[in-house]
Amino acid sequence: KQEVTQIPAALSVPEGENLVLNCSFTDSAIYNLQWFRQDPGKGLTSLLLIQSSQREQTSGRLNASLDKSSGRSTLYIAASQPGDSATYLCAVLSNSGYALNFGKGTSLLVTP
Amino acid sequence: NAGVTQTPKFRILKIGQSMTLQCTQDMNHNYMYWYRQDPGMGLKLIYYSVGAGITDKGEVPNGYNVSRSTTEDFPLRLELAAPSQTSVYFCASSRGQGNSGNTIYFGEGSWLTVV
Repeated sequence: KQEVTQIPAALSVPEGENLVLNCSFTDSAIYNLQWFRQDPGKGLTSLLLIQSSQREQTSGRLNASLDKSSGRSTLYIAASQPGDSATYLCAVLSNSGYALNFGKGTSLLVTP
Repeated sequence: NAGVTQTPKFRILKIGQSMTLQCTQDMNHNYMYWYRQDPGMGLKLIYYSVGAGITDKGEVPNGYNVSRSTTEDFPLRLELAAPSQTSVYFCASSRGQGNSGNTIYFGEGSWLTVV
């Protein structure tokens, strides 16, 4: 059974800092890995999707990497802003499944 | 462009009552999903559907039922509500299976409390 772990569970940084969120998964047989953002009282918004054959994806100040063999992904946020405050969820789609397996998320607070 | 729409947004149920959470998508997606999210936890899959008339159980299906009579709609029914079903429920959809790089779209969630 695929297990997804996110570290840290919570993170507080001052505005302007670069930061890294970590995600690990136990079964490397995956189709893809996705990073989502969840704002309080809202649904999930897909940030980046990395196919199993890819090493990284970038969107604006966000960069996600994937090391499938070691079962790790990182989400790098450059020059953080208070508007980045949210919970970030990592999810993997295993070869054996139809739906995503989620980590518990990292709650990020960026202070002005 | 509505995307994935869930109703109701909030609901309080008494133990033993039944209700249906509605979900509809306007993107002509084949795949639809129901997840629940408990505080401090990741999302867990309840049921999913790969097309009209086809549904299958996810990780935590007990106490729930689904149907998929049309491409657009995927209602989730709670029978004999229990306090353990207090949670936030998310409906989602995608065009195809994730191996083809399909992005998954989520509704805004339904907060359910069973007392």
